[in-house]
Amino acid sequence: DSGVTQTPKHLITATGQRVTLRCSPRSGDLSVYWYQQSLDQGLQFLIQYYNGEERAKGNILERFSAQQFPDLHSELNLSSLELGDSALYFCASTRQGLDTQYFGPGTRLTVL
Amino acid sequence: DQQVKQNSPSLSVQEGRISILNCDYTNSMFDYFLWYKKYPAEGPTFLISISSIKDKNEDGRFTVFLNKSAKHLSLHIVPSQPGDSAVYFCAASDPLDYKLSFGAGTTVTVRA
Repeated sequence: DSGVTQTPKHLITATGQRVTLRCSPRSGDLSVYWYQQSLDQGLQFLIQYYNGEERAKGNILERFSAQQFPDLHSELNLSSLELGDSALYFCASTRQGLDTQYFGPGTRLTVL
Repeated sequence: DQQVKQNSPSLSVQEGRISILNCDYTNSMFDYFLWYKKYPAEGPTFLISISSIKDKNEDGRFTVFLNKSAKHLSLHIVPSQPGDSAVYFCAASDPLDYKLSFGAGTTVTVRA
C-alpha cells in the first residue's frame, strides 16, 4: 500500500459526459501528479500540482482540468468525454517536487 | 515524442535465471532514472533508481546499470522469481522539469 488513494476504482460513462477523479496523496506529501495510461501504452504525464499550485503541464487536453485543494487532495476533471479517453488514470505524490513518486491504485475509466 | 523507450514489450525467463530489461532515452538532460513494477489492477510501485553520477546501483536481487554515453540503462533481476512476473516501466527525470517520462513497459513472465 503506497498510501496514495484514488476514487472511484472504476467508472463507466457515456460519450459527451463529464467525470471527476479524486486523489488523496500520502500524508505529508505536497506534490500530486496525474498520469494517463491507455491500452498497451506507457504512462503519459498530464499535470502536476505542488501545494495547491500548478507546477508542470504535460500532454493534457483542454477538455481536462485539475486542481489541488487546501487539504492537498486533488481532482482531475474530464469533460466532453470521447471513446479514446478510456484509460487508466493514476495519481502519484511526492514530498516535494523531485522525489520518488508513489502511485495510487488508479481509476479505470470506460467511455461507451 | 517518446523520450524513453523500452523496445522489448515482453520477456520470458525461467525461474532462477537472470532477467535483463533494457531502456533507452534521448534527452541528455535526464539525470535521474527509475524503474517501476506494476501488477494488474494496481498502481506502479517504485523498485530502484539511479542518479546520473553513478553507473550502477544495487538493491538485493535488483541492479540498475546506467551508460550515459549510450543513453541506455538496464535492470537486472537475479535470480528471477515467479513473483517478479509483472510489467516493468523505466522512467527518467529532467532536473528542469518536474515530470517523469515513462517507457511503454516490458511484461516479464517468470516460468517455473
